[in-house]
Amino acid sequence: GQQVMQIPQYQHVQEGEDFTTYCNSSTTLSNIQWYKQRPGGHPVFLIQLVKSGEVKKQKRLTFQFGEAKKNSSLHITATQTTDVGTYFCAALPGTYKYIFGTGTRLKVLA
Amino acid sequence: DGGITQSPKYLFRKEGQNVTLSCEQNLNHDAMYWYRQDPGQGLRLIYYSQIVNDFQKGDIAEGYSVSREKKESFPLTVTSAQKNPTAFYLCASSGGADTQYFGPGTRLTVL
Repeated sequence: GQQVMQIPQYQHVQEGEDFTTYCNSSTTLSNIQWYKQRPGGHPVFLIQLVKSGEVKKQKRLTFQFGEAKKNSSLHITATQTTDVGTYFCAALPGTYKYIFGTGTRLKVLA
Repeated sequence: DGGITQSPKYLFRKEGQNVTLSCEQNLNHDAMYWYRQDPGQGLRLIYYSQIVNDFQKGDIAEGYSVSREKKESFPLTVTSAQKNPTAFYLCASSGGADTQYFGPGTRLTVL
């Protein structure tokens, strides 16, 4: 079946450094969503991207959807310890059925 | 207080037993989902339902069963046919091609 690859699998950064995770699909997507899961918690919705080349910002987080609508990225500027968790992308190739990426686990060292 | 609830939070099962995990939502969402998450892994879709009395298999449906008799409820039964059921089970709902809201999850352990 269709897969969504996410890299890197793990990332350790010093507090204050930047962080980026990438999500890639072999097929064109209707939209893409990003979720954050804190350790021991459940995924929480961050944002949805729909348009080709779309860029959205939430404070220190920048989300981008590729021109071909096959890839996306999440960039965090100046990480803080509160950013710790696993970041997932979720692709919607059609309707209703989401395909989650493998996730990137972020550790921030104080 | 709107949201999605799952119970129990922790569940222990003996080998050979069927267990049912509860998922309830009061968000008036049509679509509901069940995911399985193994330690350090992503989410894998077990079953999903777009509307009452209808559901479809996800990527790993073998050994699981669901029902959708009411819009608010989407229980998942982990049967004895599921060979490795120990995992974190997450239920979610959405109003179509929209945000998924997740419940707090149920951690199932087979003894």
